Amino acid sequence: KAGVTQTPRYLIKTRGQQVTLSCSPISGHRSVSWYQQTPGQGLQFLFEYFSETQRNKGNFPGRFSGRQFSNSRSEMNVSTLELGDSALYLCASSPDRGLGTEAFFGQGTRLTVV
Amino acid sequence: DAKTTQPTSMDCAEGRAANLPCNHSTISGNEYVYWYRQIHSQGPQYIIHGLKNNETNEMASLIITEDRKSSTLILPHATLRDTAVYYCIVRVGSRDDKIIFGKGTRLHILP
Repeated sequence: KAGVTQTPRYLIKTRGQQVTLSCSPISGHRSVSWYQQTPGQGLQFLFEYFSETQRNKGNFPGRFSGRQFSNSRSEMNVSTLELGDSALYLCASSPDRGLGTEAFFGQGTRLTVV
Repeated sequence: DAKTTQPTSMDCAEGRAANLPCNHSTISGNEYVYWYRQIHSQGPQYIIHGLKNNETNEMASLIITEDRKSSTLILPHATLRDTAVYYCIVRVGSRDDKIIFGKGTRLHILP
């Protein structure tokens, strides 16, 4: 079955703009998480959605937001972009709640802010 | 903060077994040990996970010590395509999907 799909794969934006990234989870998965990866900070958790509700949130400013739709697809939005927001943004999906389930990652969206 | 400690880098000859250690001395009773790897600029790839028993799948084996304070990921016959950063993570699972990544181990497979 198809894996986690993230669009677009690459994006260039200007400081001050806003951006929306999309993630389509594996069919049947209801949990979607977002991560930011930079050379300096590594992989950092942004937030996680389950059944359209935000269940966990990392330590990022309010400029970073997300949502999940009824079909489990998720979007994340970054407003008022800063140069430091340049990163690889990764989405992961998991099946229904349960102990010991694995998370599968997409290939990511590489955002460059100029 | 990450709950695991891994060596920064390791080398392994092609065709040999690669043994990647991980310390997780503060692991809780309901936390699983997960391994992911990330090949340059790609999304992390799930490898294997376990609770207390040793686990094996088509990619690797996971050996967890009896006290669960450490584990070893074994790639039985390493190839150049196994060159990646390997992350050892402890997490409860879907009930707590906040994966905390550490720095991982950069594995170099030598031809």
